[in-house]
Amino acid sequence: EVQLVESGGGVVQPGGSLRLSCAASGFIVSINYMIWVRQAPGKGLEWVSVIYSGGSVYYADSVKGRFTISRDNSKNSLYVQMNGLRAEDTAVYYCARALDYGGGLDIWGQGTRVTVSS
Amino acid sequence: QSVLTQPPSVSGAPGQRVTISCTGSSSNIGAGYDVHWYRQLPGTAPQLLIYDNINRPSGVPDRFSGSKSGTSASLAITGLQGEDEAEYYCQSYDSSLSYVFGTGTKVTVL
Repeated sequence: EVQLVESGGGVVQPGGSLRLSCAASGFIVSINYMIWVRQAPGKGLEWVSVIYSGGSVYYADSVKGRFTISRDNSKNSLYVQMNGLRAEDTAVYYCARALDYGGGLDIWGQGTRVTVSS
Repeated sequence: QSVLTQPPSVSGAPGQRVTISCTGSSSNIGAGYDVHWYRQLPGTAPQLLIYDNINRPSGVPDRFSGSKSGTSASLAITGLQGEDEAEYYCQSYDSSLSYVFGTGTKVTVL
């Protein structure tokens, strides 16, 4: 079965760090375009970051310099390291697969909740 | 970064047709990038409804259709059903090398 399963969410204090994981099954992460999307409580979807099959990475301005996207081919998994967390980073974080460059996101994980609060 | 603009809400009676607009700019939709649509039920992950402007993934009913023109795109739902009550988002790509989402539209079945 093709699926994505996120983990690693939780409650963290402002300025803290968290690493989210996204385990894939049924397809190979390294040859696909993988994306992180977040959704703050009661708000819309916000793109966070993308890693392309060739290894290029890009970030939303709101997380640039604080978040780092990566993948582990041996574990067929995607990650995002989040440092310097702020209250406005509180959201449900989803990993997803893009059909192609700039394409639709056809597979989504169930999401993992991150709460930044003192 | 850019955001695509959608109406906050649309509504219709069962069986009716509703449309949701998605307005972008010359750096995203107007630059020729494709538009994709998602449906999100409360507490669940978004589901791809339309990709590359007009295409439906396997399993999506043909009641859903998409179109694109200039700097805008639209999602049409015909034969509106109670299960269509959800939040809908459009998505495209931007010349700033970012993915962009619409502001979201709540569809209410009267």
